[in-house]
Amino acid sequence: AQSVTQLGSHVSVSEGALVLLRCNYSSSVPPYLFWYVQYPNQGLQLLLKYTSAATLVKGINGFEAEFKKSETSFHLTKPSAHMSDAAEYFCAVSDASGGSYIPTFGRGTSLIVHP
Amino acid sequence: KAGVTQTPRYLIKTRGQQVTLSCSPISGHRSVSWYQQTPGQGLQFLFEYFSETQRNKGNFPGRFSGRQFSNSRSEMNVSTLELGDSALYLCASSWLGQGFETQYFGPGTRLLVL
Repeated sequence: AQSVTQLGSHVSVSEGALVLLRCNYSSSVPPYLFWYVQYPNQGLQLLLKYTSAATLVKGINGFEAEFKKSETSFHLTKPSAHMSDAAEYFCAVSDASGGSYIPTFGRGTSLIVHP
Repeated sequence: KAGVTQTPRYLIKTRGQQVTLSCSPISGHRSVSWYQQTPGQGLQFLFEYFSETQRNKGNFPGRFSGRQFSNSRSEMNVSTLELGDSALYLCASSWLGQGFETQYFGPGTRLLVL
């Protein structure tokens, strides 16, 4: 079985500040991990994914995430927030447990960026 | 390459009616998954179709059903609509539906049940 916990339903930062969105996962086998972003009235767009290559994954729009097996975490960071980063962010985990490849999504974290 | 398209984008129905939503995956993708997104429950998996066969199913009542056609286009149907079915319904496609693959999401169909 797999599960995802995103700490904090809302995160508020000032423009130019560090963005840190937390994600912890539970998986019985080595997982595949994803971060998606959802802008208002749109579908989800992939930011980055981890598939057992480098533990530090770089994505689009300046975001990156580090896979830490010992902490079962995959936190998303960006050095400097921009107003356009305001959106909902979802962490997802997928593995082959029971032959199902369906990803499990976290509840989402709404990023608020103040000028 | 065109992205995942969903029609209609917005829909208003009344309780007891039924509704059919359509999803066209990215060309070449054979796996189509459906999700329901609500403020209270977040993103919940409905079902996945691969090569016209339902391969996985989430924990939803039988009022929710789907199908996939030979061209990989998919439809989902909700019968006897309830107020709680109001949600954003997202469709996602991938080539094989394997865990390491990225799912590409459509813009969603927003359903309001009155």
